[in-house]
Amino acid sequence: DIQMTQSPSTLSASVGDRVTITCRASQSIGIWLAWYQQKPGKAPILLIYKASNLEGGVSSRFSGSGSGTEFTLTITSLQPDDFANYYCQHYNSFSGTFGQGTKVEV
Amino acid sequence: VQLLESGGDLVQPGGSLRLSCAASGFTFRNYAFSWVRQAQGKGLEWVSGISGSADKTDYANSVTGRFTVSRDNSKNTLYLQMNSLRAEDTAIYYCAKHSGSFLALFDYWGQGTLVSVS
Repeated sequence: DIQMTQSPSTLSASVGDRVTITCRASQSIGIWLAWYQQKPGKAPILLIYKASNLEGGVSSRFSGSGSGTEFTLTITSLQPDDFANYYCQHYNSFSGTFGQGTKVEV
Repeated sequence: VQLLESGGDLVQPGGSLRLSCAASGFTFRNYAFSWVRQAQGKGLEWVSGISGSADKTDYANSVTGRFTVSRDNSKNTLYLQMNSLRAEDTAIYYCAKHSGSFLALFDYWGQGTLVSVS
């Protein structure tokens, strides 16, 4: 089974910062990677799909890149609403494998 | 698009529970669905998926043989029958709509329903 590993687990940042979260796959997954944002007590929200495609309605401050085994989610000019948990997910089949998550905190 | 889960409850180990997810705002039968769970303070775990016509289902190793996913396209409702429940099944269970008929890319999620096994 493919394993997805995110780093860091926790990221401390300030409003206005540029932050980057990394997701590594245990083997090549092409561009079949998504990123989700989840706030406490809420369901996840899809941000990015196919590694770099922004989901409709998502702020352009979010961007994704990478292919193969290494991927990044970048948030430019961090806003108060961006403090949340972020998950990567590999999805080239009927099932999905999530990373363990990254908490972006103040 | 709205997804509304129900059926979560406190149940004893070894017990059973059936979760439901009522969908609206789109053509239900055209999309695959999954159940994804999240234990308190933990990450997301894919549990089970079902195709639009229900001819294909899949399960995580941790629930195979105990959980059964199904759907009623006439009622726009997704189900998860959970048997032989264990303490480690305690989690919030989300239903998640696939963006299409197959790939597990989840474009809409329900609000979740809490299952506690104790």
